[in-house]
Amino acid sequence: GAVVSQHPSWVICKSGTSVKIECRSLDFQATTMFWYRQFPKQSLMLMATSNEGSKATYEQGVEKDKFLINHASLTLSTLTVTSAHPEDSSFYICSVLGGGGLSYNSPLHFGNGTRLTVT
Amino acid sequence: DAKTTQPTSMDCAEGRAANLPCNHSTISGNEYVYWYRQIHSQGPQYIIHGLKNNETNEMASLIITEDRKSSTLILPHATLRDTAVYYCIVRVVGGGADGLTFGKGTHLIIQP
Repeated sequence: GAVVSQHPSWVICKSGTSVKIECRSLDFQATTMFWYRQFPKQSLMLMATSNEGSKATYEQGVEKDKFLINHASLTLSTLTVTSAHPEDSSFYICSVLGGGGLSYNSPLHFGNGTRLTVT
Repeated sequence: DAKTTQPTSMDCAEGRAANLPCNHSTISGNEYVYWYRQIHSQGPQYIIHGLKNNETNEMASLIITEDRKSSTLILPHATLRDTAVYYCIVRVVGGGADGLTFGKGTHLIIQP
């Protein structure tokens, strides 16, 4: 069964509004979660690493003030796309490190993604 | 993490074994080989991983050459539902703090 739950699976919003995407780890506590973005016919691009109880680490070129990440508990991380614009339309995917933790080679498990369309 | 090279696309007949190659000639001794796949409009799905020994699970087999510079993912009896983009990724041992770096992958198309 799924180990990562992502919600919503799709969302349509108007330009200038904000959208929150939730990522939940179902089977284990996750101190680290990752957020990816995927444009059509392209591969996944890592946006940021979400650390429970501390600030997220953003990849180069990703605006931290636009993509707000909150990882307030060991099972929930949220990504908020603020003041969304049509160019933010994309497939957003979260992933969670397996239950073995950072020191083990647990595979990453992925949510089923959120399709964001900004009109 | 070391880079990987995969063919852009492959076809395979339903019921036959699908063999997906991956080159990772610059792999380091402390890097694992991971395989994921992504079915259209879904999140990636973990398939298998290994360090130097061949591995098998309920989904697939992973064959790693002795010099570790390449590997092959084998789907023993491909079905139409195996049509997906398959990603070969190398990742440092204990590299849990780092997200995976995805290349372009191989688009595997299973033909009826």
